[in-house]
This record gives sequence, structure tokens and C-alpha cells, in this order.
Amino acid sequence: GDSVTQMEGPVTLSEEAFLTINCTYTATGYPSLFWYVQYPGEGLQLLLKATKADDKGSNKGFEATYRKETTSFHLEKGSVQVSDSAVYFCAPSNAGGTSYGKLTFGQGTILTVHP
Amino acid sequence: GAVVSQHPSWVICKSGTSVKIECRSLDFQATTMFWYRQFPKQSLMLMATSNEGSKATYEQGVEKDKFLINHASLTLSTLTVTSAHPEDSSFYICSAPMGETQYFGPGTRLLVL
Repeated sequence: GDSVTQMEGPVTLSEEAFLTINCTYTATGYPSLFWYVQYPGEGLQLLLKATKADDKGSNKGFEATYRKETTSFHLEKGSVQVSDSAVYFCAPSNAGGTSYGKLTFGQGTILTVHP
Repeated sequence: GAVVSQHPSWVICKSGTSVKIECRSLDFQATTMFWYRQFPKQSLMLMATSNEGSKATYEQGVEKDKFLINHASLTLSTLTVTSAHPEDSSFYICSAPMGETQYFGPGTRLLVL
């Protein structure tokens, strides 16, 4: 079945530091790839997505590029803010069949940004 | 963007009672919804796929008689935790797809005493 390996956390950074959270996956077919963010005490929100190879998803200064050859979807941000403190989940979406739309979640990476 | 709501947002119940959690897609229809469970500081575990007009599909290891799912309409799915026990205490989250994107509810925190 599908699986996701995320960079282990927690990750602690100072404000304005560069962020990378690694994500690699195994999946059948050609999944769409998602990053979701969970702020303290809240549900998950879509952060960004990419639906095919070499696509770059971006939102709120975060970026991730769909790398089919390395089966990776690493999340990056050039300058983090305190408000980015949250848990980040990488998730490929099943490409088809009876499992279409199912997300497989990575273990989540806790990010804490200090002023 | 699409909005998914859950009700209640938190619930405390006595051991042995049943608890119903509602998941609604507010501005779109969803023939499929997903129910997840999240333990503290852990990832989301898919419990089941709720299918409008047919039986839910449960993931391996999830007791279908304990976690009853009903997809009553194109905008509503319910999860009933029957005969709840303290080990059922958790954060339950639903999601509904619009296109390729899943939209998540805010979650329901269940505490069984």
C-alpha cells in the first residue's frame, strides 16, 4: 500500500530562518501530493498541492515541487514566522480505483518558531 | 473554499454510552466522506470511508459494530461510537473531497470517563 516518510521532528527555528521538511512517498500510479497544516487545537487545512510531476505548489510563502524521479515532495519556506508554528502533514492521494481520494498521512512534523 | 463542519466540537460521556458525531459539507455535496482518528501528537489514522446510499468501508482493525457510520444525505455523514470506553477517547476528524482535494472538519474531541 501507499506510505509516506516525513522528516522527524520536532523542528525548532528562529523567526526568518529557512525551513525544509522532507517528505518521500511510495504509491501506485500517479498520486496527487498534498501538504496539510494543523494549527494548535484546530483541524487540518490544505496548505498546498501538486497534481503531476514537476508541478510546484505554493501558498503563504511555502513551496513544494512534485519530484517523480525521487518520489519526493519536500516543503520549503524561505523565512518562517512565529505564526507558522504548527504540525505539517505530507499526504499523497490515491490515484484511482476503489481507493480514489484516500489520503495516506505522514507522521507529521511539529514546527516551532521562536521570535 | 469548501467548508466542512463537525458537531459537537467536544463531548464528554460516561463509559457504556453512545455518542454521535456529525460531519456536514456546507457548500458542496459529497458522495464520499472519510473519518479519521488522531491520538495526541500522532498522525491521522483513517477509520472508514462513508458512502452515500451504501455501506461504509472500514479499514483493517476498525470494528464496524462499534463505530457505526451512516451517510444519510449528500451533505451529512454521522459516526456513532457505541458503548464507548475510555480507550475510545480521541480526536475524531472527518473530511469530504471536492475534486482531488480533501476538506477537513475542525474535529471532535471525545472524552469517555
